[in-house]
Amino acid sequence: QVQLKESGPGLVQPSQTLSLTCTVSGLSLTSNSVSWIRQPPGKGLEWMGVIWSNGGTDYNSAIKSRLSISRDTSKSQVFLKMNSLQTEDTAMYFCARAYPGTPWGQGVMVTVSS
Amino acid sequence: NIVMTQSPKSMSISVGDRVTMNCKASQNVGNNIAWYQQKPGQSPKLLIYYASNRYTGVPDRFTGGGYGTDFTLTINSVQAEDAAFYYCQRIYNSPFTFGSGTKLEIK
Repeated sequence: QVQLKESGPGLVQPSQTLSLTCTVSGLSLTSNSVSWIRQPPGKGLEWMGVIWSNGGTDYNSAIKSRLSISRDTSKSQVFLKMNSLQTEDTAMYFCARAYPGTPWGQGVMVTVSS
Repeated sequence: NIVMTQSPKSMSISVGDRVTMNCKASQNVGNNIAWYQQKPGQSPKLLIYYASNRYTGVPDRFTGGGYGTDFTLTINSVQAEDAAFYYCQRIYNSPFTFGSGTKLEIK
């Protein structure tokens, strides 16, 4: 059974860096691409970026300068790092298999506040 | 950057009715569209991929259509459990942009 699970700090201070981990089971990262998506409270979904099965990455141009996605295939983990966090980055953060768009993790809520 | 525009923003439908919601891409995306259903407190669930392919286990009352820039999601004989937000997403080529969503309420 394919599963993805996000983990990371629930609270981050403004201007700091967010680090999240997506732990994958039941699939190989060298054969599957993984996306990060976020959703501010009460708002819609925003695609953040993808790490392709070959290790390449693509990012949402609106946040590209602050975002980095990487992976450790031996640990079946995908990482998200985003710097210079502001209150508007408060959101539920999801990882999901990019093709065919399922499954998604349960999400991790990140609050940016001092 | 590609923009995905969904309409209407919300709709209120009675059980048993048929509903159609729309997704318009700002450029030709072929059939590279997915539809998701999201209920409160849950992760989105894939309904349709490549515009018209129903994902495993999705009831056949859900039907996707369209090509190029204009896409539809139709729910035949809406059920109470279909109350949710619905999102379209461009897939296959990045950026994998989402539409802003349609809220479906059941009267």
